Formats: sequence, C-alpha cells, structure tokens
Amino acid sequence: KQEVTQIPAALSVPEGENLVLNCSFTDSAIYNLQWFRQDPGKGLTSLLLIQSSQREQTSGRLNASLDKSSGRSTLYIAASQPGDSATYLCAVRGQGGGGADGLTFGKGTHLIIQP
Amino acid sequence: GAVVSQHPSWVICKSGTSVKIECRSLDFQATTMFWYRQFPKQSLMLMATSNEGSKATYEQGVEKDKFLINHASLTLSTLTVTSAHPEDSSFYICSARGGTSGNRQFFGPGTRLTVL
Repeated sequence: KQEVTQIPAALSVPEGENLVLNCSFTDSAIYNLQWFRQDPGKGLTSLLLIQSSQREQTSGRLNASLDKSSGRSTLYIAASQPGDSATYLCAVRGQGGGGADGLTFGKGTHLIIQP
Repeated sequence: GAVVSQHPSWVICKSGTSVKIECRSLDFQATTMFWYRQFPKQSLMLMATSNEGSKATYEQGVEKDKFLINHASLTLSTLTVTSAHPEDSSFYICSARGGTSGNRQFFGPGTRLTVL
C-alpha cells in the first residue's frame, strides 16, 4: 500500500526566504505526482503535476522535482510571500486501475510566511 | 476552466438522517469522479472512484451501503451518507477528471458535514 510522507509538518519563515518542502513515497510505481495548496476550510488548488517520466516542473516561483527511483519529490518556493501561507499537499497517482487510480495524499506541510 | 463545484458547502444534521452531497464539473465532462474525506489534521483519504454510468469502486474499509455514490451524468456525481452518525463528521471533497483536463484531477471546494 502506497504511503506518502511530508516533511516538515509545519514551517514558519520570514517573508522573502526561499524554502523547500519534502515529500517521499514508498512505492515508486507511480503514474504521476501532484503538489496542491489547501487554504483553511477550503478545497485544493493544483500547483504542479509531474508525470513519472519527468524530472521537474516549474510555474512562476514554484519548482517541483521528482526522483521516482528514490521515491522523493521536493517543492521549491522562491522569494516567499505572506500569500503563500497555506497547507501544501503532495499526492501520487498509482499505475493501476480502479481504486489505485485515485490519489494518495501526504498529511501536508503547514506553511506560515511572516510579513 | 476546469471548475468543480460542490453543494452544500456545509451541512449539520441529526444522527440517523441521510445527507446528499453534489459534485458538479461546470465546464468539462468528467468521465471519472473521486470522493475523498479529510478528518482534522489528517490526509485526504480516497473513499471511492466512480466512472459515468457504472458502479463506483470503493476503497477498502469504506462501506458501500453507507456511502452511496451515483455518477449518472458526465457532469454530476452525488454522495449520500445514509444514517449518518457523529463519527461520519468530516470534510468531504470530490474531484473530477476528464475532457481536456487530461491526467489532472480538479477538486471541488469541499463539504463540511457535522452530525450531531
């Protein structure tokens, strides 16, 4: 059974810093990996999606990398802003069909950017 | 594009009643919809996967007779929590995939269910 772990569980940094969020998964047979943002009491916003054949994806100040063989992904946030404060979730999609087609989520990293 | 809505956004009900939650893809045809729930400070957990016109596939430990899923059209899926109990109180989120969304799942805003 796939398990996804995110480190750290919480992070508080001053505005302007660059930071890295970590995600690891136990089964490397994945179809893709996604990073999401969740604001309190809200749904999810997809940030980046990396296919299993890709190494990284970039969108604005965000860069996500994937090392499938070692079961790791990182989300790099450059020049952090208070508006980046949220919970960041990592999720992997399995290769199989049926239930394995859904996403397995980590517990998230709760990020606070201090003004 | 790729907007998913859920209704209601929150609901409070008495123990023993049934609650229906709707999930709609507003601007694309969702061939597959997923239902997740999230307990406080926990991960989102996949409950079931549904494909339009066929029966849902439930994850291990999820009671299919308690959580009824209907995916009758390419834009609508419903989750009915039957005979709800306080332990069913949770944040229920749907996602949809299909059309031009490709491999990406787009998530609804979630429904907060509180069972008294």
